[in-house]
Amino acid sequence: GENVEQHPSTLSVQEGDSAVIKCTYSDSASNYFPWYKQELGKRPQLIIDIRSNVGEKKDQRIAVTLNKTAKHFSLHITETQPEDSAVYFCAASSRSNFGNEKLTFGTGTRLTIIP
Amino acid sequence: EAGVTQFPSHSVIEKGQTVTLRCDPISGHDNLYWYRRVMGKEIKFLLHFVKESKQDESGMPNNRFLAERTGGTYSTLKVQPAELEDSGVYFCASSLFGGETQYFGPGTRLLVL
Repeated sequence: GENVEQHPSTLSVQEGDSAVIKCTYSDSASNYFPWYKQELGKRPQLIIDIRSNVGEKKDQRIAVTLNKTAKHFSLHITETQPEDSAVYFCAASSRSNFGNEKLTFGTGTRLTIIP
Repeated sequence: EAGVTQFPSHSVIEKGQTVTLRCDPISGHDNLYWYRRVMGKEIKFLLHFVKESKQDESGMPNNRFLAERTGGTYSTLKVQPAELEDSGVYFCASSLFGGETQYFGPGTRLLVL
């Protein structure tokens, strides 16, 4: 089955600097890679996703890159703000006729933005 | 549009008791997933319904866990009898048939003493 590894487990960044979180996956059949942000006591929320036919995707201060050959993908947050502090999870999945199959998650990265 | 809802938000029970968790997906979402996060570890898949049918239950830890989705709307996850290692946060997620994005509920925090 799929295995997703995520690094680092904790990350502290000065406000305004960039943060990078990296994930690797094992199953070459995986073709969908979402990133979820979970603030304390709240539900995981999708912040960005990428499909395997795309190498990079950007949404304002957030970007994700995918290297299919190396089986790794990364989340980049630029100009970090205090509200970016949260736990971030990467995940991998493959598609079927009814939608996506189960998400396999990384272990999470606790990002702290230092004012 | 209402999001995925879960009930209860918290549950504290003693070892050997029974607990039933409920998930109401977003209206019209045929896909319903259960996940669990134990003690700060990764979020792990439990099972997946497509409408009322179990599509994948490979993540269910053992036969003390029973999930149902009668009528293809809300789902319940029953743990009987509960053990200490069942403590964690149980998340439900839903998505449209053919859709990619899984929308998560707020979770049920279960503590087994």
